[in-house]
Amino acid sequence: GQSLEQPSEVTAVEGAIVQINCTYQTSGFYGLSWYQQHDGGAPTFLSYNALDGLEETGRFSSFLSRSDSYGYLLLQELQMKDSASYFCAVRSTNQAGTALIFGKGTTLSVSS
Amino acid sequence: DTEVTQTPKHLVMGMTNKKSLKCEQHMGHRAMYWYKQKAKKPPELMFVYSYEKLSINESVPSRFSPECPNSSLLNLHLHALQPEDSALYLCASNPDGERNEQFFGPGTRLTVL
Repeated sequence: GQSLEQPSEVTAVEGAIVQINCTYQTSGFYGLSWYQQHDGGAPTFLSYNALDGLEETGRFSSFLSRSDSYGYLLLQELQMKDSASYFCAVRSTNQAGTALIFGKGTTLSVSS
Repeated sequence: DTEVTQTPKHLVMGMTNKKSLKCEQHMGHRAMYWYKQKAKKPPELMFVYSYEKLSINESVPSRFSPECPNSSLLNLHLHALQPEDSALYLCASNPDGERNEQFFGPGTRLTVL
């Protein structure tokens, strides 16, 4: 089967840096994605890593180590608006297409 | 047009009602999805349409019936639902069904009384 593990909650203050880890188990691997979801909102795509290494997009970076089945999302210069749930996701390998399997989500609370 | 739209935003229905959720995208995406999300939980896949054909049915109860009238539209027909079906129902699309970036609609908040 496929499973993803991530911390349930993370707290930080404005301006800080926070790292959200994700470990995964999957029989076939097509990359690790990260999604952000604000309360009452829809998930929005943040980043995708297919190969080992760091991908940077503004204040957000994502890292992947395929040998360790591990990735993380790094959020820098935290702002109050970054308070949200963050999900790591892999493609489902049981069926055709890019059906996503999500981790349980990490709730990030940013305080002033 | 670079978004996925869903109607209605909110829906309250009784257990004997029949209702439908609608999803629309005009980005030319060829894969569309229905997810169910309970509070404080991740989205769970319900159905996938790839090139207007149902390719995955994640053992969803028959009281949920998907329909894809054309490449831009996705419906979810609801009948005889249970209170535990109350959730946020999310529609998503993907350009070709082979990328990891999915575009989600805002969802329909469903309450079953």
